[in-house]
Amino acid sequence: DAMVIQNPRYQVTQFGKPVTLSCSQTLNHNVMYWYQQKSSQAPKLLFHYYDKDFNNEADTPDNFQSRRPNTSFCFLDIRSPGLGDAAMYLCATSTRDNSYNEQFFGPGTRLTVL
Amino acid sequence: AQKITQTQPGMFVQEKEAVTLDCTYDTSDQSYGLFWYKQPSSGEMIFLIYQGSYDEQNATEGRYSLNFQKARKSANLVISASQLGDSAMYFCAMREGRASGTYKYIFGTGTRLKVLA
Repeated sequence: DAMVIQNPRYQVTQFGKPVTLSCSQTLNHNVMYWYQQKSSQAPKLLFHYYDKDFNNEADTPDNFQSRRPNTSFCFLDIRSPGLGDAAMYLCATSTRDNSYNEQFFGPGTRLTVL
Repeated sequence: AQKITQTQPGMFVQEKEAVTLDCTYDTSDQSYGLFWYKQPSSGEMIFLIYQGSYDEQNATEGRYSLNFQKARKSANLVISASQLGDSAMYFCAMREGRASGTYKYIFGTGTRLKVLA
């Protein structure tokens, strides 16, 4: 089945130690999104790619970076994680070819910062 | 600025009964889309139902229906015949267009639904 995959599902890192979260998709969608979701809060958009065009949200900290080497893969790099970066990170895809343009989400990566 | 408001942090419903989850939105766009997502404790966001701003009929998908009142800017989700598996967090979201040609999706703060046996 076509899907959005995130690895790992659970990630533990130490304060200040760089970490990379991975997202891959078999849907061949041209748009990929990264969201941060803290407990009992709405998902917050960090950035998105439209093909190779990177779009950063104005309030996304510089500590967060992203790479999209090809259509299928997108990475979220947290350069120096702080305790406040502990959250669920959701990857989503969409395409303008679908009538609803809905987003398809991966299962998320739950990040713990010690 | 575009905004989604969900005023019910938590709701209870008895199994097999219907429940309405409220959502109001604010936008100056003429063309927009409204979505409901379900998020179980596992974390994955599951798409439930969609309503386009130009759709005259209320959307329905199985046990889910969307009560769309455009003049009031509300898009409430109705779940009929609630099941224990419906217990989850529910998010209302709105799609807005961007100059870049992509869409941005704005989410409400969610409603946690608990179905009682």
